[in-house]
Amino acid sequence: IAGITQAPTSQILAAGRRMTLRCTQDMRHNAMYWYRQDLGLGLRLIHYSNTAGTTGKGEVPDGYSVSRANTDDFPLTLASAVPSQTSVYFCASSPELGTSGSVRTDTQYFGPGTRLTVL
Amino acid sequence: QQQVKQSPQSLIVQKGGISIINCAYENTAFDYFPWYQQFPGKGPALLIAIRPDVSEKKEGRFTISFNKSAKQFSLHIMDSQPGDSATYFCAASKGPGGGADGLTFGKGTHLIIQP
Repeated sequence: IAGITQAPTSQILAAGRRMTLRCTQDMRHNAMYWYRQDLGLGLRLIHYSNTAGTTGKGEVPDGYSVSRANTDDFPLTLASAVPSQTSVYFCASSPELGTSGSVRTDTQYFGPGTRLTVL
Repeated sequence: QQQVKQSPQSLIVQKGGISIINCAYENTAFDYFPWYQQFPGKGPALLIAIRPDVSEKKEGRFTISFNKSAKQFSLHIMDSQPGDSATYFCAASKGPGGGADGLTFGKGTHLIIQP
């Protein structure tokens, strides 16, 4: 089944520990994104990648890093986790911009999320 | 600076009624406006989307109304059903898919449809 997978589903982490959240898509989408969702704040963009080999910073990038070695994978790393990084993290992907001409298909598809708790 | 403002935060509607959620944006460079639906424990899923060259887009019971001059857009859910109970997010971007900067989301509306 085509789509986005994220791992782990949930994780409890001690402050100061390093953690990598995994994201894999099998739709051959060029663009991928990481968001965090916090109650009352909606979803905020952390980092994005328009194509393999390139990455960019979103609205809330501090404390996070990403890499895009290939089209399918876009891991998010917390080098030294802090309690304020407790959140639900969503990975998303979208096709190369404007390739289909459809507002429905030229959109972002989200994974199921990773619930991260930093103590 | 919040670029997409969404209201109300929560909404209770009787079954069969019309649910209306409003959003306003500030950045005139935005040219793609999707609405996402999210159920508890799930990721957001695209519900309906519009580009500013049209003022209304309808898909089944869901309609987006778009007012470019007022920089506002709204979601209308006709004949609301208990299964529509979810959190709804409006969003905007500078290009379809999310553009180089990704989607800018509103803070969400928690919708409850009472049977």
